[in-house]
Amino acid sequence: AQSVAQPEDQVNVAEGNPLTVKCTYSVSGNPYLFWYVQYPNRGLQFLLKYITGDNLVKGSYGFEAEFNKSQTSFHLKKPSALVSDSALYFCAVRRLVGGGNKLTFGTGTQLKVEL
Amino acid sequence: DGGITQSPKYLFRKEGQNVTLSCEQNLNHDAMYWYRQDPGQGLRLIYYSQIVNDFQKGDIAEGYSVSREKKESFPLTVTSAQKNPTAFYLCASSYRLAGGDSYEQYFGPGTRLTVT
Repeated sequence: AQSVAQPEDQVNVAEGNPLTVKCTYSVSGNPYLFWYVQYPNRGLQFLLKYITGDNLVKGSYGFEAEFNKSQTSFHLKKPSALVSDSALYFCAVRRLVGGGNKLTFGTGTQLKVEL
Repeated sequence: DGGITQSPKYLFRKEGQNVTLSCEQNLNHDAMYWYRQDPGQGLRLIYYSQIVNDFQKGDIAEGYSVSREKKESFPLTVTSAQKNPTAFYLCASSYRLAGGDSYEQYFGPGTRLTVT
């Protein structure tokens, strides 16, 4: 079964420093991977996806993610964090078993960027 | 939040009452989804629909029902059979390409349901 794991409940980083939010996946076949961000009491916003192609995927708001097949990881990164990046981040993988176009989400990582 | 609207933003009900949450999209997406979000558990899929007049159960469908009479609308009813209905409910939609593939899902702003 397809699954993703986000090993950190919370990540703290100083503004201006690089940030990384970790995600590892377990899939059969080629993975379709996604990152979403959620601000308090709001819906999820799509950031980026990996379907195929370059291992470094660029997305919205300066975020990027690196797909690493050997380590089964899809970590979200940003070279210089902003206080406004503070939010809840979800990694997701598309399910291929059982039909339909469903996503399985990780449990989320709370990012806190401090001055 | 794109072209997906959910209403109301906050909803309060007494235990034992059914309640229907609205989800409307103007993105011309074929597929629509309902998720439930609880603290520390991520999102869990309740129901999804790939096309009008068709829908399937997700991972936690017990105590919920849906309908898909129009492409734009996918209302969710939380019935009195749902044991822990208090949660944040999110609706999403996506394209459905030939062969069953789809791109990323787009989410509405959510409805926070409190049942006492």
